Parts: sequence; structure tokens; C-alpha cells
Amino acid sequence: DQQVKQNSPSLSVQEGRISILNCDYTNSMFDYFLWYKKYPAEGPTFLISISSIKDKNEDGRFTVFLNKSAKHLSLHIVPSQPGDSAVYFCAAKGNSGYALNFGKGTSLLVTP
Amino acid sequence: EAGVTQFPSHSVIEKGQTVTLRCDPISGHDNLYWYRRVMGKEIKFLLHFVKESKQDESGMPNNRFLAERTGGTYSTLKVQPAELEDSGVYFCASSHVGWSYEQYFGPGTRLTVT
Repeated sequence: DQQVKQNSPSLSVQEGRISILNCDYTNSMFDYFLWYKKYPAEGPTFLISISSIKDKNEDGRFTVFLNKSAKHLSLHIVPSQPGDSAVYFCAAKGNSGYALNFGKGTSLLVTP
Repeated sequence: EAGVTQFPSHSVIEKGQTVTLRCDPISGHDNLYWYRRVMGKEIKFLLHFVKESKQDESGMPNNRFLAERTGGTYSTLKVQPAELEDSGVYFCASSHVGWSYEQYFGPGTRLTVT
């Protein structure tokens, strides 16, 4: 049973605009959330994370928002650049271990 | 600083054969993880080492899979005998023990069982 869901398999955004990637989870015991970016034939690359005690974390063009009551998080990329085109994975960690639970990913295409 | 490395990058074997995958974590990282992504599905956790000890092997699918980390440095994942459903990309990741939970992934080994 999948506990982390990314319901949009793909997203296309124009360069310079905002990209919003969404993620929902079902397990209320998750205490840490991460976003990874993946290019073809490479491993996932860590992008940004957020603890469950916070509702926002920002790092340059990337901001992650967490809504615990809705069990929802989102990644905002502003402004989007063509180099941001990749598959983005949402991941969550339970409070009893280090294993990450991943969503299926959202493929982002940023067009010039 | 060198990242996580994995060998081989790609392996094609026949059903019933044995394959051993290797992972070298980032130097100084005591935590080492194995994950697997089968086609069309999400990346799934297999197991977690702290140094040479298995901390969590709840994701290991069955006893055809054996992971080792002798000496607490590199790790191997052996599949014996391989089945068709074992095909996928096997990722290794490593992290510090301590304050952050970010895991750093290797490029993966693509395993194809025919």
C-alpha cells in the first residue's frame, strides 16, 4: 500500500514561471520529508527537506510547504529554468527508523 | 568529496543465476541503505546498515537476497538465485549518523534478469 502519492505524473511549465509539485501522504507517523531530483541514468539527488515541526523551508529558488492537517506537501520552484527539467520524487521518513518512503515521481518539463 | 559509487552499472543475467552488486558509500558515512525501483513503480527501501550492523531489513523481499557490509565500509547485495521479478534498478545511498536525514544516492545498478 503506497503511503506517499504523487498524483501528477507530469507537469509542463514555461521558463521563468512557477513550478508547483504536489505530494500527499497517508501515514501520520512520518516526521521528515524530502524532495529529490533525478535525471535519466543517475541516482536521485537531494534537493530540500522539511521537518514535521515546520510548515515551510526555503533554499534559493526552492521552497517546500508542509500542511500536516491535510497530509500534503508541495515543492515550489521560482523561477523555473530549463535545467530544472527532471523527475522529482517526494519522500517521507517514519519516526521509528531511517527508511525513506518514496512517491512515484513527477516529471517536470520546463520549456524555453 | 567522492559520491556514492555502485558497480556494475548494468548487469544482465539469466534466471537462476547469481549476481552480486557492490556499493561504496561516501567516506565517513556510517549509514548505508539499499533501495530498489522496479519498472513503473516507486523506489522501495530494502535495508539499512549502521556500520557493519543491519539496523533495518524490513524491506528485503525474501531470502534470495543477502546484504553484507563487512568492516563497515563497502556493501554487497547478492541475489541468488535471480528471478525475473528481480529486474529493476538497485540504488545504494549513504548518510551521516546525526542531525540530518538526507540520504545521498549512487547512480544505481540496472539489473535485467532474462
